[in-house]
Amino acid sequence: DIQVTQSPSSLSASVGDRVTITCRASQGIGNYLAWYQQKPGKVPNLLIYAASTLQSGVPSRFSGSGSGTDFTLTISSLQPEDVATYYCQKYDGVPLTFGGGTKVEMK
Amino acid sequence: QVQLVQSGAEVKKPGASVKVSCKASGYTFSTDGVTWARQAPGQGLEWMGWISAYNGNAHSAQNLQGRVTLTADTSTNTAYMELRSLTSDDTAVYYCARKGTQLAPDYWGQGTLVTVSS
Repeated sequence: DIQVTQSPSSLSASVGDRVTITCRASQGIGNYLAWYQQKPGKVPNLLIYAASTLQSGVPSRFSGSGSGTDFTLTISSLQPEDVATYYCQKYDGVPLTFGGGTKVEMK
Repeated sequence: QVQLVQSGAEVKKPGASVKVSCKASGYTFSTDGVTWARQAPGQGLEWMGWISAYNGNAHSAQNLQGRVTLTADTSTNTAYMELRSLTSDDTAVYYCARKGTQLAPDYWGQGTLVTVSS
């Protein structure tokens, strides 16, 4: 099975900072990668699909890039409401493996 | 609008089974699939399996094979996840989500808390 490794596991940043989270697949998955935001006690929310396509309604400060094995989620200017845990997920085929998550906190 | 509504919280004893339902509305259920994931307290998301509502084909995570059964009833637009031989390690919030062919899971159910305790 293809493994999905997400880093870092946590980070602390200030309002307005640029934040980058990476996801690496152990084999190529094309652009079949999604990013989710999950706030405490809430349901995961799809932010980006097809590696770089912003889901409707998601603020434009979120962006995704990459293909093959290396992917990045970027928050261009961190806002207080972005405090959450972020997950990547591959969906090229089963298993639809999640990354381990990145907890983003405010400094 | 697309909605997935899951059944309510469950408390089960070790060794028992649980069956969680996921009722879909707002789209053509039979043309898409449903994927399931769970989240233990304080932990990350774990993918459990996927079923095609179109033809009933299902795949489950290797670590759950033999204990989990996924089904889909197109007459009621409802997907089901049954997990058997429960242990305390199965205590988690269980989620369903819509997944179209070659598409990312997009709409999620509200989650169902399953607690396994003697």
